[in-house]
Amino acid sequence: DAGVIQSPRHEVTEMGQEVTLRCKPISGHDYLFWYRQTMMRGLELLIYFNNNVPIDDSGMPEDRFSAKMPNASFSTLKIQPSEPRDSAVYFCASSGPPRGNEQFFGPGTRLTVL
Amino acid sequence: RKEVEQDPGPFNVPEGATVAFNCTYSNSASQSFFWYRQDCRKEPKLLMSVYSSGNEDGRFTAQLNRASQYISLLIRDSKLSDSATYLCVVRDYKLSFGAGTTVTVRA
Repeated sequence: DAGVIQSPRHEVTEMGQEVTLRCKPISGHDYLFWYRQTMMRGLELLIYFNNNVPIDDSGMPEDRFSAKMPNASFSTLKIQPSEPRDSAVYFCASSGPPRGNEQFFGPGTRLTVL
Repeated sequence: RKEVEQDPGPFNVPEGATVAFNCTYSNSASQSFFWYRQDCRKEPKLLMSVYSSGNEDGRFTAQLNRASQYISLLIRDSKLSDSATYLCVVRDYKLSFGAGTTVTVRA
């Protein structure tokens, strides 16, 4: 299995630009999670989906952030407009049978907003 | 108050030493507990689940104290490859991650 795939791995953009992060979960997993990690705040859950349906988006910092999961094999996290304080590593993770308790993380997208 | 709190360390230990550290959690209704490991500039990976009776996985021992709401991890006979950040993770309806404890094992 290829594991969770994220793209791009690195993104450098200017303030005000739109940023789209992509994730392909492990095939057969029914949960997908988006996290953000910074030195100051650690790892924070932004949103998670179950069977492609958003279940909890209370961690999404503000309306500039949106996430979609149009099908079981693809999800996006969009930031529009981006701000320097959005600079962080964004991880996507998925979980599902047979090891439903374990979340498998992708390699992350390192975002820098100038 | 943070949901999960950890001593950030760093714990600097020589090879072969034993190192132990704890984390505390605030939600007494938390159901599941885990330790994840994160190497520098890498993604977190599950190290082990933590069971009520305590459990071992090779050189790693995890303990749970529900009454005092803390979890511990002990590493015996530490190796250079154990150098990493260890994240304490607690689940109620979602996973909550601690900020991590950094362990550096020196030759």
